[in-house]
Amino acid sequence: LAKTTQPISMDSYEGQEVNITCSHNNIATNDYITWYQQFPSQGPRFIIQGYKTKVTNEVASLFIPADRKSSTLSLPRVSLSDTAVYYCLVGDAYHSGGGADGLTFGKGTHLIIQP
Amino acid sequence: AAGVIQSPRHLIKEKRETATLKCYPISRHDTVYWYQQGPGQDPQFLISFYEKMQSDKGSIPDRFSAQQFSDYHSELNMSSLELGDSALYFCASSLVGRPQETQYFGPGTRLLVL
Repeated sequence: LAKTTQPISMDSYEGQEVNITCSHNNIATNDYITWYQQFPSQGPRFIIQGYKTKVTNEVASLFIPADRKSSTLSLPRVSLSDTAVYYCLVGDAYHSGGGADGLTFGKGTHLIIQP
Repeated sequence: AAGVIQSPRHLIKEKRETATLKCYPISRHDTVYWYQQGPGQDPQFLISFYEKMQSDKGSIPDRFSAQQFSDYHSELNMSSLELGDSALYFCASSLVGRPQETQYFGPGTRLLVL
């Protein structure tokens, strides 16, 4: 599994756009990039997943450059409730023959949003 | 639709006791995963099951075992509990085969070993 590196912590203010960048220099051809969000004492929650270029959903955008060695999670107009830990994961979404691999969570980014 | 259900939500045990955690996946999901998250730590993958067969194995201690039943629910059995087993245990489920398979996590079981 490709190793990921992301900032330990970030802080911003309500209404701002927040960009969290993740480095994954040894990403493999079959690997997807997935971001999860975790609030204290709750299970991680899927935010967004992409393979290349740009992906956007109702929560966030994910920007992936052509070399795929990094990715940036963009949260538009954050609020206090966006304070959480954000994990960048890289891996094959599933393996042949059925079943799927467990997720490997690295050190996430502690995002703190202030009023 | 209902999410992943875990029971119990809280559990207190003493050292050397046993514990059983249960997980009920989202309807029609065929894969279940177990994770352990210690205080201040990141989630660690333990084990997963696809169609009632073990699919992947992570850092699950030999004292732990798990299985998936015909109705796709799963149980994590923990024996000879140690103080270090105190953690949040999350179950997640997914439907394998979708082009972009994602895992949906339950609320967790908080285990305290005294």
